Amino acid sequence: NAGVTQTPKFQVLKTGQSMTLQCAQDMNHNSMYWYRQDPGMGLRLIYYSASEGTTDKGEVPNGYNVSRLNKREFSLRLESAAPSQTSVYFCASSDIRVLTYNEQFFGPGTRLTVL
Amino acid sequence: LAKTTQPISMDSYEGQEVNITCSHNNIATNDYITWYQQFPSQGPRFIIQGYKTKVTNEVASLFIPADRKSSTLSLPRVSLSDTAVYYCLVGPPGAGSYQLTFGKGTKLSVIP
Repeated sequence: NAGVTQTPKFQVLKTGQSMTLQCAQDMNHNSMYWYRQDPGMGLRLIYYSASEGTTDKGEVPNGYNVSRLNKREFSLRLESAAPSQTSVYFCASSDIRVLTYNEQFFGPGTRLTVL
Repeated sequence: LAKTTQPISMDSYEGQEVNITCSHNNIATNDYITWYQQFPSQGPRFIIQGYKTKVTNEVASLFIPADRKSSTLSLPRVSLSDTAVYYCLVGPPGAGSYQLTFGKGTKLSVIP
């Protein structure tokens, strides 16, 4: 099992360019998440997908769109990149259970720089 | 969602026991307490979770007093490889866990 995989690992964009960050999980999890982490900061939730076919905004959704392509894949799109979107992006997945906390499994991250 | 407060940073020598305390005064009845560990250039990973009293696994122990307004993560005999950021999260299970927030965490530096 690869767990959660993300592509690309690194990316440099110019202001105004667009790109899509890809995420896939092979654990048959229902839920998937996108976070961003700025230097010295904790993780902030951008969007999440509770189950296939649904997506919801998190704490910082502005400037991003997501697609839950199928149960395995959850992509994050920057339509017009801005320097403020320079960050490390983490994808995560979890299997929602009603009675206990749902451990999130994280990918290795994508380091994005917007010039 | 319950707000958490934990120290920004801690230093420890190798071989010592490290205790990181998290304050969560407005914890709700159905909230769980969960700790994650994040190494540099990696995503966080789950290390331990508890609801009350004490929980122990192969990595750490979690102590939760009766009033549940705080919790303490205990790492026995730390090594250099325990240098990481540790996050305390408090929130409900199930669908309520979708918007759990990772604060800035506690940066633990282990010194030889």
